[in-house]
This record gives sequence, C-alpha cells and structure tokens, in this order.
Amino acid sequence: AQTVTQSQPEMSVQEAETVTLSCTYDTSESDYYLFWYKQPPSRQMILVIRQEAYKQQNATENRFSVNFQKAAKSFSLKISDSQLGDAAMYFCAYRSPPTQGGSEKLVFGKGTKLTVNP
Amino acid sequence: EPEVTQTPSHQVTQMGQEVILRCVPISNHLYFYWYRQILGQKVEFLVSFYNNEISEKSEIFDDQFSVERPDGSNFTLKIRSTKLEDSAMYFCASRYTGDSGNTIYFGEGSWLTVV
Repeated sequence: AQTVTQSQPEMSVQEAETVTLSCTYDTSESDYYLFWYKQPPSRQMILVIRQEAYKQQNATENRFSVNFQKAAKSFSLKISDSQLGDAAMYFCAYRSPPTQGGSEKLVFGKGTKLTVNP
Repeated sequence: EPEVTQTPSHQVTQMGQEVILRCVPISNHLYFYWYRQILGQKVEFLVSFYNNEISEKSEIFDDQFSVERPDGSNFTLKIRSTKLEDSAMYFCASRYTGDSGNTIYFGEGSWLTVV
C-alpha cells in the first residue's frame, strides 16, 4: 500500500519570503500522480498543484512550484513570495493512475501547518 | 469555475440518528467520492462511486454507511446510526475522466457533530 509522509507538522515564513514544504512517499508503482492541496481555516480542500510521475519537468503554478525527485520518492512544494493568504494546512497526496486499474483513492499525508508572519 | 457543492455545511445530530449528507458534483464529472477528516487528523478515503455503483471502499465504510446517486445531479452519503466517532468533516469530491480527469476536486465539506 502507498504511504505519504510529511515530516514537518508546522512551518513558518515571513511574508514575501520563500518556504519549502517536504513530502516523501512510498510506492512500487512506476506511474502515479502527486498533488498538493491547501486547506485554509475554512477547511475547504483546494488543489494547489499536481505532478504526473512520467513527466520529468517539475510542475509550476504561479508562485507555487514542486521539486519532484522520482528516484528519491520526494515531492516538495516551494512557495515563493509568500502572502498572508497562503497560511493554511498543506496536504501532500498520492494517487494511482486509473489506466493501470489502480486504486481510485487519494492517499494523504498528515499535513503541514504553514504560518505566514507579516 | 464549476465547483462541487455540499449541504449542509454543518449538522449536529444525536447519537443513533440517521444523517444524510448531500453533494452536487461538477456536472460533467463521472467519478464521485466521499472522504472524511476527523478534527486534527489526516483526510481519509471512504468510498468511490462510478457508473452507479461503488468501485472502491475503505475499511471505514462499513454497513452503517451507504451512498446513492438518486438522480442525475445529487450524490449522497447516509450514515444509518451515528456514533460519537463519526464526528468529522465529510468531503465530497469528483473528477472527470481521461488525462484531464486525474485531478480530484473537493467540495467545501459538511461538518458533522454527533452528540
């Protein structure tokens, strides 16, 4: 079974600075999808970014980018120019691709609480 | 932007009562899910639903739980006899299919408190 580990329960960053959130995962599959979701105090789950394992290029979405190291099974999230609105819980998640008949479910890590200091 | 909507946003119920949580997935999506998050814990998969039947369920999803798609738009989660430990945020989610469908979109959640 796949597992996702987020080793940083809490992180803090100064506004306008850069922060990196760590995520590692364990799988025997060669193809899969990785996601970062943001959960603000409203508790809604908001997709931040996704990465397909077959793509070597790291995904980017505006101020958010990932460092995907497939061999190391590492998938970190970098937030540049941090803003007060970035304060939230961030969850890393893994999903098998449907084409392989794999599990439909997202497997989540325990989350990292990000605080942004003004 | 289309979104998954859930009702109610918050429900308080007495232990032993039945609860139905409702969801309207994004209109062209074909796969539907329920997840739950107990306060302070990680998000856990409950069930996935495709082509009018359950495609996968977790060990949490026992006989007390059921899902239904009663019409072309709603997707419901029923808890027959609620327990204190069912208190959690319940998230409905959906996805389309194909390459663009590998992202699962979540609703805002229904917070269930069992007293």
